[in-house]
Amino acid sequence: QKEVEQNSGPLSVPEGAIASLNCTYSDRGSQSFFWYRQYSGKSPELIMFIYSNGDKEDGRFTAQLNKASQYVSLLIRDSQPSDSATYLCAVNGLLRTFGNEKLTFGTGTRLTIIP
Amino acid sequence: DTEVTQTPKHLVMGMTNKKSLKCEQHMGHRAMYWYKQKAKKPPELMFVYSYEKLSINESVPSRFSPECPNSSLLNLHLHALQPEDSALYLCASSQDPRDRGRTDTQYFGPGTRLTVL
Repeated sequence: QKEVEQNSGPLSVPEGAIASLNCTYSDRGSQSFFWYRQYSGKSPELIMFIYSNGDKEDGRFTAQLNKASQYVSLLIRDSQPSDSATYLCAVNGLLRTFGNEKLTFGTGTRLTIIP
Repeated sequence: DTEVTQTPKHLVMGMTNKKSLKCEQHMGHRAMYWYKQKAKKPPELMFVYSYEKLSINESVPSRFSPECPNSSLLNLHLHALQPEDSALYLCASSQDPRDRGRTDTQYFGPGTRLTVL
């Protein structure tokens, strides 16, 4: 079982619709969860971080965390063509001693917004 | 301001060359990271410096040599690389790697695109 799993896609969503990206992780001890957006040829850009169970909203983005089920998701409302990118889920605190956590990435989901 | 800068943006080097990648942040962050990313793959951790000390080395070959001269700077020295080392090299920083769940958010620089001929 991979430590952090994402559906690789590609995920195609019509412009204006809601895009839903999902991620599961293996270690119940994980503490911090991140979503990064990466355009082709560019570096990862932080979109959201979430530490507590529940929802966290920032503009058109909502991150959802359920530690009991070990999943984290990202919803993008009113999807725009500029949202087309690869979205990386990252989890901190997997399998490391305190103070030496490793940020573990999923393989990323390629999202395409169709005008 | 969450800016991490990296130089150069692009680097082409031969297998016998010695070169260095540089990374800088002025956010007062106490952890800095080197990642390697191949096309269509997630970033792969190479090294972590925590409070200017090397805390994680992910079994990286010795042809890659990291250096942290001070809390704002991180270098990656390259020597005798192989063509398969061609990749995007990313630097990142976080505020306090010990403060789990609070200030461990990592911010990435723009990367250096390395080509080894």
